[in-house]
Amino acid sequence: DQQVKQNSPSLSVQEGRISILNCDYTNSMFDYFLWYKKYPAEGPTFLISISSIKDKNEDGRFTVFLNKSAKHLSLHIVPSQPGDSAVYFCAARNAGTYKYIFGTGTRLKVLA
Amino acid sequence: DGGITQSPKYLFRKEGQNVTLSCEQNLNHDAMYWYRQDPGQGLRLIYYSQIVNDFQKGDIAEGYSVSREKKESFPLTVTSAQKNPTAFYLCASSVDRGRPYGYTFGSGTRLTVV
Repeated sequence: DQQVKQNSPSLSVQEGRISILNCDYTNSMFDYFLWYKKYPAEGPTFLISISSIKDKNEDGRFTVFLNKSAKHLSLHIVPSQPGDSAVYFCAARNAGTYKYIFGTGTRLKVLA
Repeated sequence: DGGITQSPKYLFRKEGQNVTLSCEQNLNHDAMYWYRQDPGQGLRLIYYSQIVNDFQKGDIAEGYSVSREKKESFPLTVTSAQKNPTAFYLCASSVDRGRPYGYTFGSGTRLTVV
């Protein structure tokens, strides 16, 4: 049972436009969510996080939105740049634990 | 600089052989993890360890073994019982469960069975 789902395996966006990556989850006990970015043959790097008590967190060009009622998380990148081309994973943590569950990833391609 | 070091970056194994992937961290993190990445399947948890001398199976532990004799080290052995070992392996660590920090990942080891 996949508790964290990224239903779009890939996404292409023009440089300068907005990229929206989506993530759905099923467990209402998740209390913390993260987004990671991964380049080929490298380990994922932390991008941005959000606590379940918030609905938005912003860091430069990256904004994460959380809709708890819909159990939906999204990452907005504005403006998109070619260097943003990577695989993006969302991850969620069950309250009281330290273990994160990862989605299957979305490959973003930003076209110059 | 603190971080996680995985070695080797590339590893080739003959069928029937056991191989050990190294993972060392100098972040003073309590918890360590091993993940496997296959195309289209995201990150799947193999084993994790919360403290020294203790570890638990993840979602796909069959054919793998680990040890945690030191806080800094969490080696993964891919045994001959693992039916499809060719994959990209990632090691990660995190602070204890008290704070909602995420993982710090190593740069990975690509294992290929020849």
